[in-house]
Amino acid sequence: EADIYQTPRYLVIGTGKKITLECSQTMGHDKMYWYQQDPGMELHLIHYSYGVNSTEKGDLSSESTVSRIRTEHFPLTLESARPSHTSQYLCASSEWSGLTDTQYFGPGTRLTVL
Amino acid sequence: QKEVEQNSGPLSVPEGAIASLNCTYSDRGSQSFFWYRQYSGKSPELIMFIYSNGDKEDGRFTAQLNKASQYVSLLIRDSQPSDSATYLCAVFQAAGNKLTFGGGTRVLVKP
Repeated sequence: EADIYQTPRYLVIGTGKKITLECSQTMGHDKMYWYQQDPGMELHLIHYSYGVNSTEKGDLSSESTVSRIRTEHFPLTLESARPSHTSQYLCASSEWSGLTDTQYFGPGTRLTVL
Repeated sequence: QKEVEQNSGPLSVPEGAIASLNCTYSDRGSQSFFWYRQYSGKSPELIMFIYSNGDKEDGRFTAQLNKASQYVSLLIRDSQPSDSATYLCAVFQAAGNKLTFGGGTRVLVKP
């Protein structure tokens, strides 16, 4: 099982601010993911990475950006936060076992933009 | 048609009964299948995964896979109020190296 950490856990911020949501994992997983989820709604993949210097956009268009400079670290940045960005952001990482790819989730960051 | 479909519920189950959750998928090339549990306001946690046809048991949970009919199910035996949560089905397609989640089924276990 993976140990995945996300900070901050809760963030309330004003419109127009730049924010970075941190995600770190200690298991050496190559693949990492960011999902966005509104309360009671589906998970939406917004970014993923297959390894260092690899980043891809997910199924849901997002104004956020990501970087992957180190294997263990996959931060997500919003250059100018808006109320429409209010949501829960979930980071995950996965390992390939030879049979399947199992994703493990961090605790999430609940973002509120006023 | 969604790639992974689940009945959104809520599925109301008396305490001690069996909860039966279903999930269908569209891609016949799907290789492995996951069940996650998500409590309100929390992140998904892995319950179990299955990749061979048949049943796989883990404690009170049993996953059942039928690739010919393209469905996977989860049985929760002796349901407890603490099992009240949303259960997410996820399907992995090795060809696309992609894990796709269903919308989840909300389960309510009533004492």
